[in-house]
Formats: sequence, C-alpha cells, structure tokens
Amino acid sequence: AQSVSQHNHHVILSEAASLELGCNYSYGGTVNLFWYVQYPGQHLQLLLKYFSGDPLVKGIKGFEAEFIKSKFSFNLRKPSVQWSDTAEYFCAVNAMDSSYKLIFGSGTRLLVRP
Amino acid sequence: GAVVSQHPSRVICKSGTSVKIECRSLDFQATTMFWYRQFPKKSLMLMATSNEGSKATYEQGVEKDKFLINHASLTLSTLTVTSAHPEDSSFYICSAPGLAGGETQYFGPGTRLLVL
Repeated sequence: AQSVSQHNHHVILSEAASLELGCNYSYGGTVNLFWYVQYPGQHLQLLLKYFSGDPLVKGIKGFEAEFIKSKFSFNLRKPSVQWSDTAEYFCAVNAMDSSYKLIFGSGTRLLVRP
Repeated sequence: GAVVSQHPSRVICKSGTSVKIECRSLDFQATTMFWYRQFPKKSLMLMATSNEGSKATYEQGVEKDKFLINHASLTLSTLTVTSAHPEDSSFYICSAPGLAGGETQYFGPGTRLLVL
C-alpha cells in the first residue's frame, strides 16, 4: 500500500529564514507528486506538482520541490519565508494506476514569526 | 481555475440523526469526486471515491452503510452521515479532478460536522 511520510510536524521560523520540509513516499510504481497548502481558515490549494521531466519543479509563491527518485523523496523548499507563509503543508502522492486517488502525508504546520 | 463548493460549511446535529453534505463542481463536470475526512491536527484520510452513475468505491475500514455517497449528476456528489455519533465529528472535504488530465485535484472548503 502507498504511504507518505512528512518528517516535521511543526516548524517555527523567523521571516527570511530558509525552509525545507521533508516528504518521503513508499510505492514501487510511477507516481505523481504534489504539495498542497492550507492557509488558516481556507481550503487546500495546490502549491506545486511533479508528473515527469525536470525533477526540480517550481510552484507558486516562490516554492520549489525536488523529486529524487532514488530516495523516494519530494522535499519542499523556499529560500526566504514570509509571515504570510504560515500555513499547513501537505505532501501527497497519486499512483498513476489508482484513478487519481491522493494519499496524503500527515502535514507540517509552519509558523513564521515576523 | 476550477472551483469546488461544499454545503453546509458547518453543521451541528444530535446523535442518531443523519446529515447530508453536498459537494459541487461549479464550472466543470466531474464524473469522479473524492471524499476525505480530516481529524484535528492530522492529515486527510481518503474515505471513498464517488462515481457518477455507479456505486461509490470505499476505502478499507470505511463503513459504506454509515457514509452513504450518491453522485447524482456530473456536478454534484453528496455524503450522508447516517445515525451520526459524536465520534463522527470531523472535517469532511471533497475534491474533484481538474479539467486537464485529472491528476490535479481541486478541493472544496470543507464541512465541519459536530455531533452532540
């Protein structure tokens, strides 16, 4: 069965600090990978996705993620966080043979202090 | 972009009653929708896949008689929590695959259910 692990449950950073959130998945086949963000009181929004091609993908708001197939990882990064990045971040995987079902990681709650 | 709505956004009900939650794709058609449950401070757990014109597919451990799903049209799926109990209190979220390829999901804003 597929599973997704996010290593950091809570992260606290000061503005301008760099961010890296870990995500590992377990699945032997081809996958699509996603990072979703949930701002306080809002619904889930797509931050970025990887389907194929360049393993370094860029998303909205300056976020990027790198797919490392050998490590089954898809870590999220941002060089300089802002207070407005305070949110919960979810890594998700969709096995390409599973009819678009998403399996989510446990989420990382990010607090950016001004 | 594609928009998914849910109604109601919050509902409080008495134990033993049934609650219906609607999920609509507002500007696109969705033959498939997904229902998730999000526990406090935890991740989203996929409950079932709603299929227009056929039965829903439930994930392991999800009671299909408890959580009734009906995909009445190409833009509407409903989740009915039957004989609700306090342990059913949770945040229920639906999603629908987007227009291009379907790999990207669009999520509704969620429905917070509180069973007293």
